[in-house]
Amino acid sequence: SQELEQSPQSLIVQEGKNLTINCTSSKTLYGLYWYKQKYGEGLIFLMMLQKGGEEKSHEKITAKLDEKKQQSSLHITASQPSHAGIYLCGSSTGANNLFFGTGTRLTVIP
Amino acid sequence: DGGITQSPKYLFRKEGQNVTLSCEQNLNHDAMYWYRQDPGQGLRLIYYSQIVNDFQKGDIAEGYSVSREKKESFPLTVTSAQKNPTAFYLCASSIRQTIATGELFFGEGSRLTVL
Repeated sequence: SQELEQSPQSLIVQEGKNLTINCTSSKTLYGLYWYKQKYGEGLIFLMMLQKGGEEKSHEKITAKLDEKKQQSSLHITASQPSHAGIYLCGSSTGANNLFFGTGTRLTVIP
Repeated sequence: DGGITQSPKYLFRKEGQNVTLSCEQNLNHDAMYWYRQDPGQGLRLIYYSQIVNDFQKGDIAEGYSVSREKKESFPLTVTSAQKNPTAFYLCASSIRQTIATGELFFGEGSRLTVL
């Protein structure tokens, strides 16, 4: 079965610091999606990457997909308390299933 | 406002009882999904439905049942056959019947605790 490994599992940073979350697959991905979840709530779509080498940014969050389409990183610049939550990467095998990594819990200390 | 509504948000049940979680969407989306989330395990797909009156099993369908009689509704029943039902359940929908675009819209979740 397809698996996505995320690292680190949890991250605590001081407000204003930059951080990176990684998502790795052993197989080539059709696409890579990033979601954010606040504890006990639903997921919010952040970004989708489909092409090898693709990079997208939204406000202070930048996501990249490597050329082989097996690894993605999510970078947050100048973190704020509003960035706190669980970040999940997801991918699809092309069928009707979006499978997810185990998540990275981000805490931002004011 | 358009969105997905899950109810109840919290549910407590005794072991051996069936429970039904509601999921309603007014986004006019074709496809709907149920995921289960456990600590340290990410999300796992239970069932999904691409169109009305049709649904398919996901990775962990045993002990669960669904129906899709209306486009906007996709209730999930957790039966007594489900060995570890305590979890956080998330319902989602997508515009197209395939999720190649990856954008799922999620509800706020239902937390089920079996005592």
